[in-house]
Amino acid sequence: SQQGEEDPQALSIQEGENATMNCSYKTSINNLQWYRQNSGRGLVHLILIRSNEREKHSGRLRVTLDTSKKSSSLLITASRAADTASYFCATDQYNFNKFYFGSGTKLNVKP
Amino acid sequence: GAGVSQSPSNKVTEKGKDVELRCDPISGHTALYWYRQSLGQGLEFLIYFQGNSAPDKSGLPSDRFSAERTGGSVSTLTIQRTQQEDSAVYLCASSLASGPGNYGYTFGSGTRLTVV
Repeated sequence: SQQGEEDPQALSIQEGENATMNCSYKTSINNLQWYRQNSGRGLVHLILIRSNEREKHSGRLRVTLDTSKKSSSLLITASRAADTASYFCATDQYNFNKFYFGSGTKLNVKP
Repeated sequence: GAGVSQSPSNKVTEKGKDVELRCDPISGHTALYWYRQSLGQGLEFLIYFQGNSAPDKSGLPSDRFSAERTGGSVSTLTIQRTQQEDSAVYLCASSLASGPGNYGYTFGSGTRLTVV
């Protein structure tokens, strides 16, 4: 069964706006990762946050993790049309060696 | 190689035929994973190889699915007697020995399998 679930399923914003996606999970984790997928093909690793971290930044990306609520959020600031993609969170269910993915949030950034 | 290479990129097969999908991981990545993604869905874990250890086959959906990894490098996913519900994009990923928990996966571009 899927471990992480993203919310919303779809998000449409204007270029320059911020986009926030959320991920909820069910069991304890070591790490949580976010990936981007363009055109239904290979996924690109964006950022990894460990269970003892609360916030992490990478360029225009900001990820938060709240282990008490079993949730994470991905914020993309100053969005661009090129950010249009599906975004997935992945969690390891305390198994360091494999990750489980949610169904993703489809982001559309309108120019 | 520079990235994870999968072949073929697209495969159309008739129901009941066997198919083989190939994955060539990044050189030096000892961990290799297969995932399946149905249209508009998330990724479903299939199987995981780590070095010479026995593979974790816990995600294989039926005994029609099998995978092997030769010489700790190239992997082949075989689906026997394909069914229409097997239609999906099959994604391969590799990671360093310490696992994706440290560095994340590197994914290939996938094989889109269509069973008609």
